[in-house]
Amino acid sequence: GDSVTQMEGPVTLSEEAFLTINCTYTATGYPSLFWYVQYPGEGLQLLLKATKADDKGSNKGFEATYRKETTSFHLEKGSVQVSDSAVYFCALMGYGNKLVFGAGTILRVKS
Amino acid sequence: ETGVTQSPTHLIKTRGQQVTLRCSSQSGHNTVSWYQQALGQGPQFIFQYYREEENGRGNFPPRFSGLQFPNYSSELNVNALELDDSALYLCASYSWTGYTFGSGTRLTVV
Repeated sequence: GDSVTQMEGPVTLSEEAFLTINCTYTATGYPSLFWYVQYPGEGLQLLLKATKADDKGSNKGFEATYRKETTSFHLEKGSVQVSDSAVYFCALMGYGNKLVFGAGTILRVKS
Repeated sequence: ETGVTQSPTHLIKTRGQQVTLRCSSQSGHNTVSWYQQALGQGPQFIFQYYREEENGRGNFPPRFSGLQFPNYSSELNVNALELDDSALYLCASYSWTGYTFGSGTRLTVV
């Protein structure tokens, strides 16, 4: 079945450091790919998405490119802020519009 | 456009009891999905409703059931609660722009 694997955390960075969170997926067909963010005590917020190969999703300085050849959708940000501290989930939307999530990566940014 | 609203925000139940969680979706969103997020894990798909009928289910036992109503609200019912049912339960409504999630109900089973 469909699955998503993302790098384990926590990832701890200093403010203004470069961020990469790796995400790879296994799916039949051509799923849409997403990054969601979850702040403490809250639900999920869509951060960015890409619906086909080579698409780049971007939002709030975060970017991810849909790489079909490597089945990857790595999240990057050039300069993180303390306010970016949260849990980040990579997800795919497969058959029946069902979302399949990775286990999540905790990001901690220190000032 | 209103968001997705879930109630209650927190709930404590005893093992063996039954619980009903509620979700009010955005107007016009005919598809609603429920997810279970155990502590430290990613959300797991429970089931999905489209126009008041279940049209997809994840790997959850029949004691997890749901309803969707014509006014875009929905319920998740869990019977015979077990300790492992303790989790954050998320409701999400779907439209052409994608999924919108509620803030969830934190269920603790003791």
